[in-house]
Amino acid sequence: GEDVEQSLFLSVREGDSSVINCTYTDSSSTYLYWYKQEPGAGLQLLTYIFSNMDMKQDQRLTVLLNKKDKHLSLRIADTQTGDSAIYFCAESKDQTGANNLFFGTGTRLTVIP
Amino acid sequence: ETGVTQSPTHLIKTRGQQVTLRCSSQSGHNTVSWYQQALGQGPQFIFQYYREEENGRGNFPPRFSGLQFPNYSSELNVNALELDDSALYLCASTTGTGELFFGEGSRLTVL
Repeated sequence: GEDVEQSLFLSVREGDSSVINCTYTDSSSTYLYWYKQEPGAGLQLLTYIFSNMDMKQDQRLTVLLNKKDKHLSLRIADTQTGDSAIYFCAESKDQTGANNLFFGTGTRLTVIP
Repeated sequence: ETGVTQSPTHLIKTRGQQVTLRCSSQSGHNTVSWYQQALGQGPQFIFQYYREEENGRGNFPPRFSGLQFPNYSSELNVNALELDDSALYLCASTTGTGELFFGEGSRLTVL
């Protein structure tokens, strides 16, 4: 079955880089996602990567995928206080990426000014 | 701004009651899915609708049902509410490109 695991907490100082890690068990995953959730809000799509890619960069965000180890990471460069939130890793097996996402329990990122 | 709006934002029900949650998606988003997010957990997939037909379901009992309408709106209905149904219910929509956009959610409290 599908299982997505993340560490629960991460604290970094403002201006440093943050690295949030995720492991998953289903090797047939097609898309892997990172979502951000601020208190009391819904989920904001940050970025996603197709399973045949190793890396994707989007401004301050870098996603690395190690398909052999089933390990996904999100690096946030120059972390700001506005980046404090819960970050969810999710996987999908659907070819469109739209169906039946499995989410981790989320990593709460705290940015210390 | 994802273009996905949900209502109501908060509501309180008692055990045994029924609830209807609503979602409005962007034009052209012909796939809508619903997720349940319990406190401190990640979202769990309830079901998905494509062109007004259910085409995927998670591990939720039949008292969770849905509808999708031609105008890109949808509903989640929950019958015989239980205390454990208290959660944030999230609607998400997509055109099928891999990007899934979520609404802000409806927070249901069952007393």
